[in-house]
Amino acid sequence: QVQLVQSGAEVKKPGASVKVSCKASGYTFTTYYIHWVRQAPGQGLEWMGTINPSGGSTNSAQKLQGRVTMTRDTSTSTVYMDLSSLRSEDTAVYYCARGPNPTIGYYDYMDVWGQGTTVTVSS
Amino acid sequence: DIVMTQSPDSLAVSLGERATINCKSSQSVSYSSNSKNYLAWYQQKPGQPPKLLIYWASTRESGVPDRFSGSGSGTDFTLTISSLQAEDVAVYYCQQYYNTPLTFGPGTKVDIK
Repeated sequence: QVQLVQSGAEVKKPGASVKVSCKASGYTFTTYYIHWVRQAPGQGLEWMGTINPSGGSTNSAQKLQGRVTMTRDTSTSTVYMDLSSLRSEDTAVYYCARGPNPTIGYYDYMDVWGQGTTVTVSS
Repeated sequence: DIVMTQSPDSLAVSLGERATINCKSSQSVSYSSNSKNYLAWYQQKPGQPPKLLIYWASTRESGVPDRFSGSGSGTDFTLTISSLQAEDVAVYYCQQYYNTPLTFGPGTKVDIK
């Protein structure tokens, strides 16, 4: 079945970086875009950015530009989200999610979600 | 950015009764070229990732019970749970995918009265 499995929880100090992985299975990895969405404790959902696993092109939220980097490894069907210069406000659960409509690319809803990765930023 | 708002913030409905959640976008999320509304609905239970319920404003995702329905166009949308079940207790989010940044509503919490 279609599945996205994320890496485990992380605890980081302010100013550090974190890299979260998302391994896809059950479908052709390069066909579908992957979105990253985060959720701060008790808060709503915030889109961070999207990567096209085929060519590696990305589209990220302006407020995070310069701090977020999304990459992929087609040999392992894995996408990565790297967030740098961490601050306490980055404490959140980070989700990867698949966009099911390759023809509309970045402009898509999300049909399959990873289980989430908790990132805690604390001194 | 397209701002999504939802109302109410929370609601409590008796088992078997109807629950209605509204979602409004700050600009139209409909493309006249294909007559599609770029609006999705998700359900999130505590400790779980969101689950897709509805896309294109009114198309139910496979496996979603038919008591869930979506309607609306342009800037005003509605998610209806026709007969609330205990397992429907959750937070519900709308999302526009008309443009980036993709944006979500703040969520509506549904409880049992």
